[in-house]
Amino acid sequence: QQQVKQSPQSLIVQKGGISIINCAYENTAFDYFPWYQQFPGKGPALLIAIRPDVSEKKEGRFTISFNKSAKQFSLHIMDSQPGDSATYFCAASRYGGATNKLIFGTGTLLAVQP
Amino acid sequence: EPEVTQTPSHQVTQMGQEVILRCVPISNHLYFYWYRQILGQKVEFLVSFYNNEISEKSEIFDDQFSVERPDGSNFTLKIRSTKLEDSAMYFCASSLTGFEETQYFGPGTRLLVL
Repeated sequence: QQQVKQSPQSLIVQKGGISIINCAYENTAFDYFPWYQQFPGKGPALLIAIRPDVSEKKEGRFTISFNKSAKQFSLHIMDSQPGDSATYFCAASRYGGATNKLIFGTGTLLAVQP
Repeated sequence: EPEVTQTPSHQVTQMGQEVILRCVPISNHLYFYWYRQILGQKVEFLVSFYNNEISEKSEIFDDQFSVERPDGSNFTLKIRSTKLEDSAMYFCASSLTGFEETQYFGPGTRLLVL
């Protein structure tokens, strides 16, 4: 119930294309869903996050789509660029719990080819 | 921009030895976390810390682990007797409050236990 499942494991996209990464969760108590971006040798950095009271959130080229009934959420990267090549982790936490511990997905290695 | 710092960046130790990983969270943050990432795997929550005590810990965080905030700026993770399976990247994170969702991660300490 604490798991967050993420797919695909790896993704190759051409420059200018759309990258789509999907995540699913089981615990309905989760109510905060961030996406983190990690470059080699660096710590994860928050990219964008969403709460379940909205179905979509957009920041620049990055969009989160959220389907509460299906317990799924996805990251869309529009106009993908070689600089977007990184590992992307979805995560979930329960707002207002003892702490906001993040439960991470297994990660997606994105390669954007020039 | 304020950032979380961690030292050392790399640590090699012999099995059974004690190690202390150090973190300096962002100065006005109140909640502190340790996560670890075994090579090629997802980021896993270890422990959260607030008001000089552990708020929550995972099953991974057994009696071999301890955390401390010895002064107003440092946050440490001690592994008392390291095992081979402790080899991982250890990330420190901090957040402004427990309800401030954004956790800022440090660059990590890569621990190798031989």
